[in-house]
Amino acid sequence: AQSVTQPDIHITVSEGASLELRCNYSYGATPYLFWYVQSPGQGLQLLLKYFSGDTLVQGIKGFEAEFKRSQSSFNLRKPSVHWSDAAEYFCAARNTGGFKTIFGAGTRLFVKA
Amino acid sequence: EAQVTQNPRYLITVTGKKLTVTCSQNMNHEYMSWYRQDPGLGLRQIYYSMNVEVTDKGDVPEGYKVSRKEKRNFPLILESPSPNQTSLYFCASSSLRQGSDSPLHFGNGTRLTVT
Repeated sequence: AQSVTQPDIHITVSEGASLELRCNYSYGATPYLFWYVQSPGQGLQLLLKYFSGDTLVQGIKGFEAEFKRSQSSFNLRKPSVHWSDAAEYFCAARNTGGFKTIFGAGTRLFVKA
Repeated sequence: EAQVTQNPRYLITVTGKKLTVTCSQNMNHEYMSWYRQDPGLGLRQIYYSMNVEVTDKGDVPEGYKVSRKEKRNFPLILESPSPNQTSLYFCASSSLRQGSDSPLHFGNGTRLTVT
């Protein structure tokens, strides 16, 4: 069955430190991959997406993600975290040619001063 | 401004009392979908619609109904709510014409409590 796994339920990092959020997918073929962020009381906002080409994808708010086919992973990174990055982050995948999106369970990011 | 609008933002109701959560988008998107978000489970799809008068079940459709009479609107109906439907609900839309790599656009959510 198709699935998206985010192994970390929550992560705490210090402001200014680097961040990596993990995401693994299980699909028959390489899907389209997305990262969304959900700030408190808000809907989900797209950070970035991967559909083909360069495996390092740049997104908004200084985030980037790297697609690694051999590891079935699409990890999200940021070099220096700001307090405003505290939120919940969702990795998602969708079959090419389809529209059903499967979400991971989410990783809640806490930022400490 | 391009947006997905859900109403109400918060709703408390009692078991068995029918309710409707409205969703409207102004981006002329063909695809619309409802999700529920529960701790540790991420977002699970309830129903989706590929276009007017075309709807289909998602992963957790039991206890819900939808309709798509107009392109912009996709209401979620709970005919007889039960406490296990207490959740945070999101409506989302996406363009089919732009291809299946086009992202979902989300509303701000409706927090429903059924007592």
